[in-house]
Amino acid sequence: QVQLVQSGTEVKKPGSSVKVSCKASGDIFTSYTFSWVRQTSGQGLEWMGRIIPISDVANYAPDFQDRVTITADKDTTTAYMELNRLRFDDTAVYYCARGPVGANNWFDSWGQGTLVTVSS
Amino acid sequence: EILMTQSPATLSVSPGERATLSCWASQGVSSDLAWYQQKPGQPPRLLIYDASTRATGIPPRFSGNGSGREFTLTISSLQSEDFAVYYCQQYHNWPPFTFGPGTKVDI
Repeated sequence: QVQLVQSGTEVKKPGSSVKVSCKASGDIFTSYTFSWVRQTSGQGLEWMGRIIPISDVANYAPDFQDRVTITADKDTTTAYMELNRLRFDDTAVYYCARGPVGANNWFDSWGQGTLVTVSS
Repeated sequence: EILMTQSPATLSVSPGERATLSCWASQGVSSDLAWYQQKPGQPPRLLIYDASTRATGIPPRFSGNGSGREFTLTISSLQSEDFAVYYCQQYHNWPPFTFGPGTKVDI
């Protein structure tokens, strides 16, 4: 039974950075991709990007390309998402989500979510 | 970017009734479409992928249909635990993978 456990709530100031972690257990880490999806009340669900741990290749959504970095540590089976130059409208719940390796990416397991609040 | 739309925004039904939710893509996505259920305070849960394949553990009252630009999710007989928000997601043309705005199913 796969489990994705994310790091805790963050409160950040505009212009700063946040790094959220996602610890995977219960299955072979390198057999999957790990995406980051955020949820805001105004924008619904937004896919930000993904990492393929077996190759360390990351793909990003154009809207986040210049501000987000997604990485993975195979030794600790943990994926990370770092978002830079935070703005007030980055306030959201950030989820990690597991998908199959390959182009077709649905998400069959999700972390519990991490609330990131951007406030001055 | 492929835009996803869903209708209705809210669907009011009674337990035991049938519910049909619709999802449209701004361009064809073949059968590269998934459906998710989300309850308050919880992450989304995968119901359907490849437009019509139920995910592991999903009861048969949930069924998906469609290809190209038009898709439906049908819940044959609503149970109390089915009242939630439902999202569609395309994975045909990316980046980015894109989600619809959701349909809330309530009593």
